[in-house]
Amino acid sequence: GAVVSQHPSRVICKSGTSVKIECRSLDFQATTMFWYRQFPKQSLMLMATSNEGSKATYEQGVEKDKFLINHASLTLSTLTVTSAHPEDSSFYICSARLWFDQPQHFGDGTRLSIL
Amino acid sequence: AQKVTQAQTEISVVEKEDVTLDCVYETRDTTYYLFWYKQPPSGELVFLIRRNSFDEQNEISGRYSWNFQKSTSSFNFTITASQVVDSAVYFCALSEAMDSNYQLIWGAGTKLIIKP
Repeated sequence: GAVVSQHPSRVICKSGTSVKIECRSLDFQATTMFWYRQFPKQSLMLMATSNEGSKATYEQGVEKDKFLINHASLTLSTLTVTSAHPEDSSFYICSARLWFDQPQHFGDGTRLSIL
Repeated sequence: AQKVTQAQTEISVVEKEDVTLDCVYETRDTTYYLFWYKQPPSGELVFLIRRNSFDEQNEISGRYSWNFQKSTSSFNFTITASQVVDSAVYFCALSEAMDSNYQLIWGAGTKLIIKP
C-alpha cells in the first residue's frame, strides 16, 4: 500500500519551456501533498505544502509564480515550472500523506534538465 | 531550535558487518514524530519507520533496528549483517505537533557504502 506515482521521471527541454510534473497517490487519499527539490548530495528542500482544495503554501524564497502547484483532488497534485531556465535544473520529488501523523510517501522523483 | 543532526556524512563497511547510523534531534515540542527514510542511488525515497514521542520502545524489523532515547534526543538506526543492497543515503527526519502541517525537518543524510 501507500504508492505514489510521479511523472515524468525525466525531462530535458529548452530554456523558456514550461514543464508540468504530476504526482498521484494510487491507493490512498492524500489530504496533504508536498513538493521538494533536491540538489546533488544534499538533503531535501521543501518547496511547498499543498492541501486538497486549498492554495499551496510556499516556503520562503520559492517563487509561487514560477512554481505553480495545483492540488485539484485527493489523489492528484501538479507542479508546473513556468518558463524554465537552466538554474531550475534539479531533482524534484513529491510526497503524499493520508493524515498529519502518518508518514509521507514519496514518488520516484523527476530529474529536470533545462538546456 | 528545530534541528536534526546526522553527524556521519559517509560510512563505509564491509558486507556482513553491523553498522549504526546516528540521529540526534532538537525540539521544544512534547508531541513529535521521528522518521527514517532510505534513498538508494536510483533516487526514490523509501519510508522505513515512524516513531511518536510517547513510544520509546525499540523496534526491530528483520536486520533493521531502531533505538529511540528521549534522554539523549537520539533515534539511532542499526543494520545487522549489512548487505550490498543496503548501500544508500539514509535520512532521519522530525515532525512536530506545533507545526500545523507537520512538515518534515530533514537531517543532512548519511551515505552508507557496503563493500562486497
